[in-house]
Amino acid sequence: GAVVSQHPSWVICKSGTSVKIECRSLDFQATTMFWYRQFPKQSLMLMATSNEGSKATYEQGVEKDKFLINHASLTLSTLTVTSAHPEDSSFYICSARTSGNYEQYFGPGTRLTVT
Amino acid sequence: GQSLEQPSEVTAVEGAIVQINCTYQTSGFYGLSWYQQHDGGAPTFLSYNGLDGLEETGRFSSFLSRSDSYGYLLLQELQMKDSASYFCAANTGFQKLVFGTGTRLLVSP
Repeated sequence: GAVVSQHPSWVICKSGTSVKIECRSLDFQATTMFWYRQFPKQSLMLMATSNEGSKATYEQGVEKDKFLINHASLTLSTLTVTSAHPEDSSFYICSARTSGNYEQYFGPGTRLTVT
Repeated sequence: GQSLEQPSEVTAVEGAIVQINCTYQTSGFYGLSWYQQHDGGAPTFLSYNGLDGLEETGRFSSFLSRSDSYGYLLLQELQMKDSASYFCAANTGFQKLVFGTGTRLLVSP
């Protein structure tokens, strides 16, 4: 149980275009979803926290107009990287948790390469 | 700011015991979690310490001392498949996780 999927698993896009990444909790309802970014051989950096039906809360230094997060249902959150640039190339990972549970369940990640 | 420091790399041989330390400086601290991540994969949950003391889960144990702002993950009977990166993470307000710098564990035959 507690499976989180992400789609796509990898994507290559041209500079200036937008990319949408989906995060789904497959067998549970996620009260909260989180989006992380991870550069090679580095730690996970929290970008934003999203709760179903409300606006996402962004971490300091994360541009909310560039990284659009939508949490339309208890099983789906999307991250859209707008006007992507090469420096946005990274591994994007989502996670989800249920109410009262300290454990976060992570998706397999999406590797974004911007050319 | 918030920071969790870990050794960057630890090496050990199969069957050995290894300890990965984590010192933290955070606000709104509720507990310490440990996650394992293989290269290119998703982090997977290993353990959580909400209270001081030792938690044991199979070959893995985790310890927390709030007074020392310190915790560790102990891995026993190491296997080759344990080669991975290990992250401590502070559970903070709003159920957010702040991840440590990460420790790369290399297990050799």
